[in-house]
This record gives sequence, C-alpha cells and structure tokens, in this order.
Amino acid sequence: DTAVSQTPKYLVTQMGNDKSIKCEQNLGHDTMYWYKQDSKKFLKIMFSYNNKELIINETVPNRFSPKSPDKAHLNLHINSLELGDSAVYFCASSRTSGGAGSSYNEQFFGPGTRLTVL
Amino acid sequence: DAKTTQPPSMDCAEGRAANLPCNHSTISGNEYVYWYRQIHSQGPQYIIHGLKNNETNEMASLIITEDRKSSTLILPHATLRDTAVYYCIVRVANQAGTALIFGKGTTLSVSS
Repeated sequence: DTAVSQTPKYLVTQMGNDKSIKCEQNLGHDTMYWYKQDSKKFLKIMFSYNNKELIINETVPNRFSPKSPDKAHLNLHINSLELGDSAVYFCASSRTSGGAGSSYNEQFFGPGTRLTVL
Repeated sequence: DAKTTQPPSMDCAEGRAANLPCNHSTISGNEYVYWYRQIHSQGPQYIIHGLKNNETNEMASLIITEDRKSSTLILPHATLRDTAVYYCIVRVANQAGTALIFGKGTTLSVSS
C-alpha cells in the first residue's frame, strides 16, 4: 500500500536512447510533481501537474515531457538521453484543496529512480 | 519564496535533543515555515510546518520566534535513524501546485 511509487528504481541506458519513468500515487491527490536531484544533491523542481494541466515548467529541456493519463499517474518521458541527465528523479504528490494553514499541501515523495546514462 | 539559511552540518548524540536552526529574515506574512528531511537514498519526507505559533507532532517540535525571522526544529530524543539532511523551506501554504524550493539543508549526524 505504498503511497507514491515509481518504476523502475534503477535505470541504466546509453546516450541517445529514449526512456520513461512511471509514477503512481494512491492518495487521491490532485497535483503531482517531478523533481531532479543531481550529483551534488541539489533537489530541483522540473514539472507539476494539477488536474491534468501543466502548471509549472521550469527551465527544463524539451527532451523531457511529462504525461499524465489520469490524476493518479504522472510519467516522465526523456528523449535523446544525455550524460548530464544522470540523476535521481523523484515523483511527489499533494492535495491542493483545503484551508490555509492545514497540511493539505504536504508533499509525499516516491522512493526515486536513479538514472545513469553511459 | 523567501530564502532560508541553515548550518551545513550538525552532530548529535543518540538520545539527546537535536536542535536545528533556520534563518528566514525575509519571510512574508502569509508564508509558512516547512521542514522536510531526506534520509540517504530515500525521497524527502514531510516533518512539520507552522505559521507563527509553536507546533508539535509525533516527529518533532517547531519553535518560531516572535518576529518570525528564525525557527528551530527540535527532535527531542534523536536516534540513529534520524541521521538525514534536514531542509527548512518557507512558502505560501495554499498555492495550488507550488513546488518546494530546496536549499542545501543541514546534514544531521546522530551517533551512539
């Protein structure tokens, strides 16, 4: 009964390949996120989806594309992988309805996917 | 979101209280203080948040100064499993889909 799950946990691939990382949450949340943690351990937001609409798109190369088939899933597709894409990618989700001051927008994170591009 | 300043590392003996400080001198009136932690190789985990009153839950206590320019996260009886990077984040609570802006955090090392 994992709250936020990601597959695969590890992904090793060659430069130039196209790959996908899947994320699923069973918390009934309406917003999902993708974060990237690089080798220096900095965590940065890449995307978030609210009710199937992209509401944040940071300065991420367009080789990265989030796809949300429904509110419980937010997958990350990466085209033409580069060495610099090697990192740990975390999916998260939150509920954005509710009153101010509550923990309703606490974000729950998945276990991460470690991507290694060779 | 306001910026925060945290010491890069702290040590704590097992069973003792761990007090992690955070400075957020430019915090706005509608911004909350959130604490998350990341245990090695895991996703970040929510700990606690507050606006101006002190808060306590099963994991920790949060003490916010009266001027709200700084706060302290207290783990009352630290265990080895509390070894992690602790992030203090200031943000508005009710913005739909607002991402967390992580700084460098404080690496807490709990030893026996």
